Amino acid sequence: SQTIHQWPATLVQPVGSPLSLECTVEGTSNPNLYWYRQAAGRGLQLLFYSVGIGQISSEVPQNLSASRPQDRQFILSSKKLLLSDSGFYLCAWSTGTASSGNTIYFGEGSWLTVV
Amino acid sequence: QKEVEQDPGPLSVPEGAIVSLNCTYSNSAFQYFMWYRQYSRKGPELLMYTYSSGNKEDGRFTAQVDKSSKYISLFIRDSQPSDSATYLCAMSVRPNFNKFYFGSGTKLNVKP
Repeated sequence: SQTIHQWPATLVQPVGSPLSLECTVEGTSNPNLYWYRQAAGRGLQLLFYSVGIGQISSEVPQNLSASRPQDRQFILSSKKLLLSDSGFYLCAWSTGTASSGNTIYFGEGSWLTVV
Repeated sequence: QKEVEQDPGPLSVPEGAIVSLNCTYSNSAFQYFMWYRQYSRKGPELLMYTYSSGNKEDGRFTAQVDKSSKYISLFIRDSQPSDSATYLCAMSVRPNFNKFYFGSGTKLNVKP
């Protein structure tokens, strides 16, 4: 079965510090990978998605970047965090094909507080 | 207008009640419909998945899709305090399998 791991679960970072959140998927190959942010009481905001190694699409211009160095690894980064970067970050994956059922699966999330 | 609308609640019901959660959408091309349960400070967990119209049942949960009305529902029978969570609906459209559209979530509280 497929599993998705995301870490760290919680972090508190000062303004201006760098960020690295990592996500890996097991049990599938060539998944579509996503980073979402979920603000308190609000919906999911798609930040980045990737359909393959090195292929990143950005949905929202911001202080963040994403990379996919391996097929099942997705990294969210920032060089200098802003207060507004605080939130709940979710990594997710999908198969991207109708034959497998077009659903999306989420990791446990990473709570980021920028102070 | 948002592509997917969902009442944020909160919805408070007594234990054992039947719960009805709903989403409306504007894009008639949506064909894949999902419901997720999200506990506080956790990632969303897939509950139900439906393709096109009709009903799907899994234990105490029933998902309904009415494409003519652009309306989907999730029913929870014999609700339990452990069902207290935020419920998100999601949709996607063929052929763009990369993109998913989410409701903002309905917070449900089941009182013992």
